[in-house]
Amino acid sequence: GAVVSQHPSRVICKSGTSVKIECRSLDFQATTMFWYRQFPKQSLMLMATSNEGSKATYEQGVEKDKFLINHASLTLSTLTVTSAHPEDSSFYICSASGQALNEKLFFGSGTQLSVL
Amino acid sequence: QKEVEQDPGPLSVPEGAIVSLNCTYSNSAFQYFMWYRQYSRKGPELLMYTYSSGNKEDGRFTAQVDKSSKYISLFIRDSQPSDSATYLCAAERGNTPLVFGKGTRLSVIA
Repeated sequence: GAVVSQHPSRVICKSGTSVKIECRSLDFQATTMFWYRQFPKQSLMLMATSNEGSKATYEQGVEKDKFLINHASLTLSTLTVTSAHPEDSSFYICSASGQALNEKLFFGSGTQLSVL
Repeated sequence: QKEVEQDPGPLSVPEGAIVSLNCTYSNSAFQYFMWYRQYSRKGPELLMYTYSSGNKEDGRFTAQVDKSSKYISLFIRDSQPSDSATYLCAAERGNTPLVFGKGTRLSVIA
């Protein structure tokens, strides 16, 4: 299957700092990338959808000023959690799809964010 | 009512058993159906991908979609301890974000 690389896999930070998470499609061009959040023993919750070169579309209840998404190229999207607080601690997962893959969706390995 | 419903389990079976995982959905516009496997603290891995109704087989895994009853199934034959994971069903209308079920936690006991 296609490869989606996500970094870092784990980050621990102090409250008030900003954290950037990268998502890269390694062997295909990702026209669309999605960012999810997952709490323990819960399903994936879609946060936002980003298309290359456009502003991200955020789901209801997700603060766009807190979760900054940039999709500057067809292979890279970033999620920046600004001024992180303990309640932002969660597992963040990106996914990517592309026309060459018949829009199948492949996921990154996830990032465990812990805010102290 | 959630668009995709899935029993979260947990489901515990002995090694070698046939496992049946199921989801129901409410939106008749869904055309694409997927099953993902997720190990703890890892991203979901695409297992099966089907379009519309019918069966699809890949090794020990068989996916079934019955659009008339809005029912999605995944069967695992000769289950192994390494199959222990959370299995997520998902549905899509086409060019829209996936809608996921809650996931079913499966434990295969050696």
